[in-house]
Amino acid sequence: DAGVIQSPRHEVTEMGQEVTLRCKPISGHNSLFWYRQTMMRGLELLIYFNNNVPIDDSGMPEDRFSAKMPNASFSTLKIQPSEPRDSAVYFCASSSTGGAYEQYFGPGTRLTVT
Amino acid sequence: AQSVTQLGSHVSVSEGALVLLRCNYSSSVPPYLFWYVQYPNQGLQLLLKYTSAATLVKGINGFEAEFKKSETSFHLTKPSAHMSDAAEYFCAVSGNTDKLIFGTGTRLQVFP
Repeated sequence: DAGVIQSPRHEVTEMGQEVTLRCKPISGHNSLFWYRQTMMRGLELLIYFNNNVPIDDSGMPEDRFSAKMPNASFSTLKIQPSEPRDSAVYFCASSSTGGAYEQYFGPGTRLTVT
Repeated sequence: AQSVTQLGSHVSVSEGALVLLRCNYSSSVPPYLFWYVQYPNQGLQLLLKYTSAATLVKGINGFEAEFKKSETSFHLTKPSAHMSDAAEYFCAVSGNTDKLIFGTGTRLQVFP
């Protein structure tokens, strides 16, 4: 299996622009997670889906952030409009359903907003 | 509710020395516990997990961890550190849901 695939790996954009991050989970995994990692705040869970349905979006910072999972093999995280404080590494992870199952992380997207 | 506390944001050891990274958890249900490692510019990778079977869990790269319910701990150890072990290590807990609650991480430095 190719593992969790994220694109792009790096994104540099100007403040105010729309940014879309993409994720392809491991085939057969029912749960998908979006995280953000910064030096200041560490690793934060933004949102997670189970069977394509958002279960917990309490970590989404504000209305500028939105996430979708139109099917079992694809998810997007969108930031509109982007701000410099959104600069971070964004990780996607997937797992089978249930607390005993480990999450498999993608390589991350490094976002820089200037 | 669940939480994880990792004692020590930075740990430094000499190559060949014992590695001990501390993790204490709090959980209202029987916990599942995980250790992940993150190398620079990479995603997190599972080292090992505890899922209520054997309390001493062996993972990859010579690491192991022991679940101690009485101490609510799940410390990570390795008998002899290698330079390649330098990375950030995260302890995490889950329970009845898919969510993992991560600790704040411990950065391990290994000196020659």
